[in-house]
Amino acid sequence: EAQVTQNPRYLITVTGKKLTVTCSQNMNHEYMSWYRQDPGLGLRQIYYSMNVEVTDKGDVPEGYKVSRKEKRNFPLILESPSPNQTSLYFCASSARTETYEQYFGPGTRLTVT
Amino acid sequence: SQQGEEDPQALSIQEGENATMNCSYKTSINNLQWYRQNSGRGLVHLILIRSNEREKHSGRLRVTLDTSKKSSSLLITASRAADTASYFCATDEGDYKLSFGAGTTVTVRA
Repeated sequence: EAQVTQNPRYLITVTGKKLTVTCSQNMNHEYMSWYRQDPGLGLRQIYYSMNVEVTDKGDVPEGYKVSRKEKRNFPLILESPSPNQTSLYFCASSARTETYEQYFGPGTRLTVT
Repeated sequence: SQQGEEDPQALSIQEGENATMNCSYKTSINNLQWYRQNSGRGLVHLILIRSNEREKHSGRLRVTLDTSKKSSSLLITASRAADTASYFCATDEGDYKLSFGAGTTVTVRA
């Protein structure tokens, strides 16, 4: 089954404790992206990647890192999480076609205390 | 940047009625996409309309695009309880970044 998976689905952590949210897709998609969703703000893009070893900042990259060492994986790293990073995070992927409709993962709900 | 702005923020309708929501945006786009999100879950792509198209249909969905007014509308006909969800428009400005609006929450009452 074609899908985007994220782990963990739920995470409660404390300020400053480094964490990684994994994202994997099995559709051989070139394009992958991370979003955060906050009430009233919709989805805001954090980082995206056009292909292996190619990443770029989205609209809200501060406090986040990403890497794209393999085509299928695109982990999101919070080196020193802060409470304002409490949010619902989504990973998405798409083929690099003219329209690149995106396939979303199920989401990771992160709480930073 | 948040490009699309949906209107209304929330909509409550009776099963069988039509639901219409609008999306306005600010800059030129390559295409505009609509997504659905069931409570707390990932978004699902519904339909895409290119900048050179004016109307598109997919099942009970009808999307229009007016590039002169920088606006789009999504119509769901003969709504069902399963249509209860949030709907987002997303604009593609041609830079491989989709910009999403804050969404319209649709509640379909039985």
